[in-house]
Parts: sequence; structure tokens; C-alpha cells
Amino acid sequence: GQNIDQPTEMTATEGAIVQINCTYQTSGFNGLFWYQQHAGEAPTFLSYNVLDGLEEKGRFSSFLSRSKGYSYLLLKELQMKDSASYLCAAMDSNYQLIWGAGTKLIIKP
Amino acid sequence: GAVVSQHPSWVICKSGTSVKIECRSLDFQATTMFWYRQFPKQSLMLMATSNEGSKATYEQGVEKDKFLINHASLTLSTLTVTSAHPEDSSFYICSARGGQGDTEAFFGQGTRLTVV
Repeated sequence: GQNIDQPTEMTATEGAIVQINCTYQTSGFNGLFWYQQHAGEAPTFLSYNVLDGLEEKGRFSSFLSRSKGYSYLLLKELQMKDSASYLCAAMDSNYQLIWGAGTKLIIKP
Repeated sequence: GAVVSQHPSWVICKSGTSVKIECRSLDFQATTMFWYRQFPKQSLMLMATSNEGSKATYEQGVEKDKFLINHASLTLSTLTVTSAHPEDSSFYICSARGGQGDTEAFFGQGTRLTVV
């Protein structure tokens, strides 16, 4: 079956770095997405990886290893506004998104 | 990025009534639209996938007669929650994608439905 696993909750300190891991199993693979979702709002796109390696975009970076079925989202210089849920989603061979349950990130001063 | 507009942002309705939620792609043609439901502290749950001009494909466990989806044009899809009950209260989100080769789907703002 298809499955996405990510931690339920993480806590980090303002100004620090945090890595949110995601493992996936899908029927075929057309890329891995990370979305940020604040409470009561729709998800917003953060990153898309389809090739192995690290993609850096400002304070956020995303890594993919297709052979391991593994991705992580790295957030640097954490700010209070980064407190949100981070959703990992893998796209299968039918271009359908398989969603993880989300990781709630709590930032403490 | 492309813009998807969802309306209304929130709605309160009485039990037994129907509610229509609109999802529009403003600057691109959405070949495929997805409708999700999200309960508090849970992930997005795909309800149905609709392609322009054809019937929606519903996920297992989603009642097609209760959640009517219409995707009549390349820029508009609607979800109608018929005979709403309090357990239908949820956050409904649409997303839209262009051609099949397009990978990114763009999300609407979401609709908070409360049935009283």
C-alpha cells in the first residue's frame, strides 16, 4: 500500500535549526512536496523534489533520497511565525498526492 | 504561482440544508481539481478528484450523493454538501492542477463549514 510517515510533533527554539523527516512508499514516484499549514488555513507550497539531493530556498531546504524513500525539510534560523504544521506529500505514478498526517512544529522563545 | 480562489471562506448553516462551495482557478486552466476535507489536527483527506467535463471520482467511503461535485469548466469546480449534518462540519479545501504533466497543485484558501 501507499504510506507516508512523519513525526506527529516537534519542538524547537527560536533561532535554532530543525529537521523534519518523512519516509514514503508509493506506487511509482513523481516527486515529493512539502507544504506549510497554519491553523485554520489552507496549505502553502514550500518545496518540490523529484531528483536526489538538497534544494535550498532561503531559510528552508528540502532533501530527497529516492532509493531510501526518504525526505527531510530543514528550517534554519527559526522564527516564531514558523510555528505551523508541515505536511509531506508524495506524488504517485498517477500524479495523485499521498499525504502524510503532518508534523506540528512548536517554536519556543 | 497560480491563484486558486475558494469561496466562501466560512459558512454556518442549519442542519438539513445544502451548502455550495466554489473553487476557481484565476490565471490558469485547471484540468483536474481535488477536494479535500480536514478535521482538526488531522491531515488532508482526499474526497474526490474531478476532471473538467467528466464525472468526479470519489474516494472510498465518500458518499457521492451527499457531496456533489461539478467541474463544468476549466476554471470552476463546485462542491455541494447536501442535507448537511453537524458531523459534516469540517475544513474543506480545493486544489487545482493544469495538465497531467503538471506536478504542482495550487490550493484554495479553504472553507470552514459549521453545521448547527
